[in-house]
Amino acid sequence: QKEVEQNSGPLSVPEGAIASLNCTYSDRVSQSFFWYRQYSGKSPELIMSIYSNGDKEDGRFTAQLNKASQYVSLLIRDSQPSDSATYLCAVIPGAYSGGGADGLTFGKGTHLIIQP
Amino acid sequence: EAGVVQSPRYKIIEKKQPVAFWCNPISGHNTLYWYRQNLGQGPELLIRYENEEAVDDSQLPKDRFSAERLKGVDSTLKIQPAELGDSAVYLCASSPTKGLAGGHEQFFGPGTRLTVL
Repeated sequence: QKEVEQNSGPLSVPEGAIASLNCTYSDRVSQSFFWYRQYSGKSPELIMSIYSNGDKEDGRFTAQLNKASQYVSLLIRDSQPSDSATYLCAVIPGAYSGGGADGLTFGKGTHLIIQP
Repeated sequence: EAGVVQSPRYKIIEKKQPVAFWCNPISGHNTLYWYRQNLGQGPELLIRYENEEAVDDSQLPKDRFSAERLKGVDSTLKIQPAELGDSAVYLCASSPTKGLAGGHEQFFGPGTRLTVL
């Protein structure tokens, strides 16, 4: 059973601070990693994808990947109240074998609260 | 670019009744997925299509669930008969087939919230 683990929270962060969200995965050969944001009653929205070790930045968001430690993280700089949501870590388990992408394996999500 | 379209958005049925969900993926996306999301959990894959072929249905409860994607575009997921435990949000997602080890982002529709009474 391929697993993705996240701390369910809630994680409370003051407005303007850096929010740090963490995720570990069990399948060592996984190649593709994603962070989704999900507001209450809404569907998951893709905010970051990362495929190589290191950091990937997009605006206020930075995804970090360490395949040796099987660890993915998401940093949100200058946190805003509108960032309050559940953040889902998702992994495509296994090595890429061609064609379309396999289904995602999700963690349970971390509930983030940005305090004004 | 239009996103993934799903209907209906909400459905309330009695147990043992049939129900169907419809999905129209993003134009040009060959890969289509159905997921189920229970409260407080991440989505779980039910079935994946490459064009009209179901290439991964290992998690689909085949005794009561069925799906089709006849022309490789729209897809329908059906439950017959529905049980109380089927209450969940049913999400459709699509992804382009780029033939690379990256670029496999999946985009979700708004979902159908099913309540079985």
